[in-house]
Amino acid sequence: DAGVIQSPRHEVTEMGQEVTLRCKPISGHNSLFWYRQTMMRGLELLIYFNNNVPIDDSGMPEDRFSAKMPNASFSTLKIQPSEPRDSAVYFCASSLWNTDTQYFGPGTRLTVL
Amino acid sequence: ELKVEQNPLFLSMQEGKNYTIYCNYSTTSDRLYWYRQDPGKSLESLFVLLSNGAVKQEGRLMASLDTKARLSTLHITAAVHDLSATYFCAVDTEGGNEKLTFGTGTRLTIIP
Repeated sequence: DAGVIQSPRHEVTEMGQEVTLRCKPISGHNSLFWYRQTMMRGLELLIYFNNNVPIDDSGMPEDRFSAKMPNASFSTLKIQPSEPRDSAVYFCASSLWNTDTQYFGPGTRLTVL
Repeated sequence: ELKVEQNPLFLSMQEGKNYTIYCNYSTTSDRLYWYRQDPGKSLESLFVLLSNGAVKQEGRLMASLDTKARLSTLHITAAVHDLSATYFCAVDTEGGNEKLTFGTGTRLTIIP
């Protein structure tokens, strides 16, 4: 299996621009998670889906952030408008519901200037 | 609010030595995970501990869980340079691999 796929791997944008991060989970997995990693705050869960339905979005920092999962093989995390404090590495992970391991993608390194 | 604390945050150790990383958490859980992250890379699952007293070993790494003490340990035996990485523990408080709360991470550097 190819593992969790994320794109782009690197994104540099200017403040105020819209940013869309993409994730393809492992085939057959029915849970998908978006995390953000920064030096200051560590790894934070932003939102997770089960069977394409958002279960908990309490970690989404503010209304500028939104996530969708239109089907079992694709999810997006959108930031609009972006701000410099959004600069971080964003990871997507997937798992089989109620099993033991979340498998992480390679991450997207976002820099907002 | 669940808190997951690791110590130490930074650890430099010589090759061949033994050491232990500690992970304390603040609420009831019977599932604990250990992950490894190399610089600039993603997270790799190392161990999943599912019950009190669980012990798992892979190579020079051994993880254990004491749910009553809310403590997990990751023991490194006869360290080698390849083990240099950041190690995270994570706790699942809702059962079923839902919301993981990660610890702060321990950056381990093995010195030849």
